[in-house]
Amino acid sequence: ETGVTQTPRHLVMGMTNKKSLKCEQHLGHNAMYWYKQSAKKPLELMFVYNFKEQTENNSVPSRFSPECPNSSHLFLHLHTLQPEDSALYLCASSQDQGAGSPLHFGNGTRLTVT
Amino acid sequence: GQQVMQIPQYQHVQEGEDFTTYCNSSTTLSNIQWYKQRPGGHPVFLIQLVKSGEVKKQKRLTFQFGEAKKNSSLHITATQTTDVGTYFCAGWDNYGQNFVFGPGTRLSVLP
Repeated sequence: ETGVTQTPRHLVMGMTNKKSLKCEQHLGHNAMYWYKQSAKKPLELMFVYNFKEQTENNSVPSRFSPECPNSSHLFLHLHTLQPEDSALYLCASSQDQGAGSPLHFGNGTRLTVT
Repeated sequence: GQQVMQIPQYQHVQEGEDFTTYCNSSTTLSNIQWYKQRPGGHPVFLIQLVKSGEVKKQKRLTFQFGEAKKNSSLHITATQTTDVGTYFCAGWDNYGQNFVFGPGTRLSVLP
């Protein structure tokens, strides 16, 4: 069982829809992450939050908007997505942001953009 | 920027055979982590190596960190069908600022 919970597990949305992905961690960690996993590509880091503050934004298009209201919750708001945005979106948390802290991943949200 | 590569991309083995995946970084790493992702699952942390030349074992899995801290390997002895999945290495640069995943090695084990 993972200490990081993501909802929904699957999401199908049209290009004009607005939806949100939710992540909650029960591990008492201070850092939370959004990763994108596409077929035949390495895991791509999208956003990092450390103590609720965004510390990294890896040139992610503005149609992806993160929100971190507290250290336990992380959201990814989606709007006007493209078919190439279809992927597995993984949330992760770690005790701290930095070397030495393993990542704990959620089960992911499988997103399909039609 | 920092790049982490893994070879092979895919490996098919007969159950009982050994398996090794190699991880190479373009820059010196402060430490390296290994993760396993089962088909349809999410990456799960396996181990972290910190010291140059470090070797760690977990049952049939042996992890090694190179002397120059730019490469690492994962060796599985006598593979089992439960070993099926994709194995990722991920490394921190020397400043602890950049954490990059390798593309992974997908292991298939034929019974």
